[in-house]
Amino acid sequence: NAGVTQTPKFQVLKTGQSMTLQCAQDMNHEYMSWYRQDPGMGLRLIHYSVGAGITDQGEVPNGYNVSRSTTEDFPLRLLSAAPSQTSVYFCASRLTGDLGQPQHFGDGTRLSIL
Amino acid sequence: QQPVQSPQAVILREGEDAVINCSSSKALYSVHWYRQKHGEAPVFLMILLKGGEQKGHEKISASFNEKKQQSSLYLTASQLSYSGTYFCGTAGSGNTGKLIFGQGTTLQVKP
Repeated sequence: NAGVTQTPKFQVLKTGQSMTLQCAQDMNHEYMSWYRQDPGMGLRLIHYSVGAGITDQGEVPNGYNVSRSTTEDFPLRLLSAAPSQTSVYFCASRLTGDLGQPQHFGDGTRLSIL
Repeated sequence: QQPVQSPQAVILREGEDAVINCSSSKALYSVHWYRQKHGEAPVFLMILLKGGEQKGHEKISASFNEKKQQSSLYLTASQLSYSGTYFCGTAGSGNTGKLIFGQGTTLQVKP
């Protein structure tokens, strides 16, 4: 019963490098989203998807791209990493876009940009 | 658009009660509550939907006042295991399911 799986757990990048954070869920959830967590800022929504082939922007989308080619996977791409993107990134999913459903979080990816 | 939580932090002794508030400047359809332990992922506690209902989860309960656009989380007879950061997530009606979280309230329960 894996739930929401994020890889890698830790990553250090240099400014300007690109990378993809992976997120996969095995619960057949339609709705998936990415958040970043910074001290004192709570969880801020980056991008979300209501189903395969459909994505939209959240509160802080700049510098990030997403795609949703399958129901299971929702990767987050950093195009050109900047120190301001140092953060803990959480992927979350829930059964549908219905807000009566609980959201399940992955264990997070801790990303440092030097 | 981010909901505002208060207080930012609270320290309790075991057995004491606490209330965490979550207020929004926009009309709300749904409020979610999650707890996060240090270094771990947020864990779901409960959901309240439009209708002013109150829910309970052991000694943790919550209310939702849609007219005041706010929700409160009540922790009674707190236990050491209640320590962590509590987040409310809110969503207005008519959107595509976006859940926007507050900045969190850190709760520390001491023996």
